[in-house]
Amino acid sequence: DTAVSQTPKYLVTQMGNDKSIKCEQNLGHDTMYWYKQDSKKFLKIMFSYNNKELIINETVPNRFSPKSPDKAHLNLHINSLELGDSAVYFCASSQDLGQGHTFGSGTRLTVV
Amino acid sequence: GQNIDQPTEMTATEGAIVQINCTYQTSGFNGLFWYQQHAGEAPTFLSYNVLDGLEEKGRFSSFLSRSKGYSYLLLKELQMKDSASYLCAVGSWGKLQFGAGTQVVVTP
Repeated sequence: DTAVSQTPKYLVTQMGNDKSIKCEQNLGHDTMYWYKQDSKKFLKIMFSYNNKELIINETVPNRFSPKSPDKAHLNLHINSLELGDSAVYFCASSQDLGQGHTFGSGTRLTVV
Repeated sequence: GQNIDQPTEMTATEGAIVQINCTYQTSGFNGLFWYQQHAGEAPTFLSYNVLDGLEEKGRFSSFLSRSKGYSYLLLKELQMKDSASYLCAVGSWGKLQFGAGTQVVVTP
């Protein structure tokens, strides 16, 4: 069983479109995160949720809207996609805030 | 804010030892993590230090000095499969802040 699974693995879309990435963890963790890894491989936090509550929002444009229907799921919806949104997006979870993360396999988003 | 610095790239031969240094400045601290990331894959957890000293885990060891804001990851008996990016991350204020990663290239 995959511990943190995210879909899709690859996403190619045109500028201006709206897309969603889904994430689920079966580890029983309380905290989930979204990270963005750009072309320079720098991994940067976007959001974190603890027990469905938004804890961290790291000055991400409001075109990005996370949603956590329950503590095992954290989805990311992106409106009006821009070229600069092209990156790999990783979902992660941890037992509690700021503890060691288990990462999903990543979603490679390409905006054309 | 936080600054996390680690070398961009290191090269070593199979069977050798490599030490990857990481220095950090942080306004809050609840642990120092090391992750390994192969190209096109997710980061995987290697080690965690919250107290000063050395943590050993097989071929990998990690050291922390909180007073100096310094950690290192030691990779022994290098194997070709160890070629990857190694990410230093500081846990603080409920999140992990990552360094840019050190690309380790293992040559035959």
